[in-house]
Amino acid sequence: QVQLQESGPGLVKPSETLSLTCAVSGYSISSNYYWGWIRQPPGKGLEWIGNIYHSGNTYYNPSLKSRVTISIDTSKNHFSLKLRSVTAADTAVYYCARVWGHWGQGTLVTVSS
Amino acid sequence: DIVMTQTPLSLSVTPGQPASISCKSSQSLLPSDGKTYLYWYLQKPGQPPQLLIFEVSNRFSGVPDRFSGSGSGTDFTLKISRVEAEDVGIYYCVQSIQPPYTFGQGTKLEIK
Repeated sequence: QVQLQESGPGLVKPSETLSLTCAVSGYSISSNYYWGWIRQPPGKGLEWIGNIYHSGNTYYNPSLKSRVTISIDTSKNHFSLKLRSVTAADTAVYYCARVWGHWGQGTLVTVSS
Repeated sequence: DIVMTQTPLSLSVTPGQPASISCKSSQSLLPSDGKTYLYWYLQKPGQPPQLLIFEVSNRFSGVPDRFSGSGSGTDFTLKISRVEAEDVGIYYCVQSIQPPYTFGQGTKLEIK
């Protein structure tokens, strides 16, 4: 079955760029579905960040759109998230997911100097 | 943005008893392509959310048949016919009719 695994730095300095990659196994991301990122601040609920289709079409949450880029690499079967100009408010567990199906285990990203 | 409102925010249930969670959307989730993009997830403690129900009423692979979903328009419900200890966690509804996709606040289920 499809499995997703996030990777990237667990600590990012304020004003810098958060970069995460989601490796997908058990399914070709060029076949179908949207692939997305969701985040969950500690002790809080879930916030959708954005989606990408294998064609490269993207949808972003307007609240983050000015700072977010989601890209896809079908040759490596992975997709990526970049969030620019981070602040402490961006500290969260970041999940990648097939929209809407399986999710990765999540990775905690802390924004701190 | 479509606001998803879940009730109750918490519930305590005796094993073997039923449970019901409501999810109301601020706009009608009109069917698109014959589908209504309303989903239910369960986040067990320390785990990522896992899909229970897709497109209102379809159980995801491996989900026990004690879970069921129903509803239309702006009102949706997740029901557990007989709660088991493994059902503890936070339940979320989410809509993807239109971006930004939005989640309910979550309903925490605990066992009495």
